Amino acid sequence: QSALTQAASVSGFPGQSITISCTGSSSDVGRYNYVSWYRQHPGKAPELIISDVTNRPSGVPDRFSGSKSANTASLTISGLQAEDEAVYYCCSYTSSSTLYVFGAGTSVTVL
Amino acid sequence: QVQLQESGPGLVKPSGTLSLTCTVSGGSISRYFWTWIRQPPGKGLEWTGHLYYSGYTDSSPSLHYSPSLKSRVTISLDASKNQVSLRLTSVTAADTAVYYCVRGSPAGGDLYYFDSWGRGSLVTVSS
Repeated sequence: QSALTQAASVSGFPGQSITISCTGSSSDVGRYNYVSWYRQHPGKAPELIISDVTNRPSGVPDRFSGSKSANTASLTISGLQAEDEAVYYCCSYTSSSTLYVFGAGTSVTVL
Repeated sequence: QVQLQESGPGLVKPSGTLSLTCTVSGGSISRYFWTWIRQPPGKGLEWTGHLYYSGYTDSSPSLHYSPSLKSRVTISLDASKNQVSLRLTSVTAADTAVYYCVRGSPAGGDLYYFDSWGRGSLVTVSS
């Protein structure tokens, strides 16, 4: 069982906005601003799209944005595009000796 | 742009040792965290451990391992070859996974996200 809770799937039409939630605890998401998000296309390696809750690495479109409230982090994809179909994983630094906890991933489908 | 290439046997027998090498090109191996993250088929991501190499020859790399693997896992680095290695002993079918070599940039001396990933290497544990 993953330490962070994500919905199994989210879908939307092209051009719409969707939000993926990632719920942790006061030991991880709620304690640190060190939530990151990764996108994984089928058969490919994950790629970093958000770091430190809200930061977008160079080259990541500004359609992707991150936020956090209490123990829940969120990833919003605006102007959904076909290429956004992928699995999205959240990750948080944690105070436990595990250091990092991941969510189980949310599969995004563009209808 | 840094490139990470994993290599090693794709099949390991139960109770054997899994060994993978990550060759780093297009970037320095110094002053970064080097991590191995694995992903069982159809499942999520799991951090196995990481190593920080300062680049100073008189300084030993800083190591952290996942508590669930700590007794079996070793991560090491060969700066002369720009390579990072993973060794996992006493493997079982539960260790079957794609193993990713991942670089992390330090922030305030610690690692908070994983910014560059290799393509991954599938290792199957089976007799």
